[in-house]
Amino acid sequence: SQKIEQNSEALNIQEGKTATLTCNYTNYSPAYLQWYRQDPGRGPVFLLLIRENEKEKRKERLKVTFDTTLKQSLFHITASQPADSATYLCASNSGYSTLTFGKGTMLLVSP
Amino acid sequence: DSGVTQTPKHLITATGQRVTLRCSPRSGDLSVYWYQQSLDQGLQFLIQYYNGEERAKGNILERFSAQQFPDLHSELNLSSLELGDSALYFCASSVEGNLGTLGNTIYFGEGSWLTVV
Repeated sequence: SQKIEQNSEALNIQEGKTATLTCNYTNYSPAYLQWYRQDPGRGPVFLLLIRENEKEKRKERLKVTFDTTLKQSLFHITASQPADSATYLCASNSGYSTLTFGKGTMLLVSP
Repeated sequence: DSGVTQTPKHLITATGQRVTLRCSPRSGDLSVYWYQQSLDQGLQFLIQYYNGEERAKGNILERFSAQQFPDLHSELNLSSLELGDSALYFCASSVEGNLGTLGNTIYFGEGSWLTVV
């Protein structure tokens, strides 16, 4: 089955900087990767999806890349704000109909 | 608001007891997923139903069971509860039942906090 690895250490950055989060997959190449945001005690919220044939995807201040050679996706938040502080989850298709999630990386943006 | 409704939001129960968690998917969504989230394990897929039929099974214990009813709401039944079952249980829904290559988004509810004492 697919395994998704994300950095378990929290990422601390200053407001206005670019945050970069990493997601690595270890087994088969997924058809796509998805990124979700999760606030404490809340359900994950979908942010972006990138397919294996796409190198990069953007949405407002968010950018996601997909490198099948490195088996890695990078998630960038530019001009970060304290309101961006949350845990970010990476997920990939796993089998026929389900999603496998990483454990997430906590992002803390200080003013 | 994702449109997925879960009840109850919080539940405290004793070991050995049985509880039922309820989920109403977004309007029009046929597929329901159940996930368990604990601090050390992250989001673990339990089970998926599509239009009333079981579609996929993950790391669901034999003490746990689920079903999806004709009106598409779903229930997750947890029995013979142990301390280790304490977790946040999420329901999610999607229109399609196949996430394999299409990459349909799934929408999560706010979860049910279960504490077993």
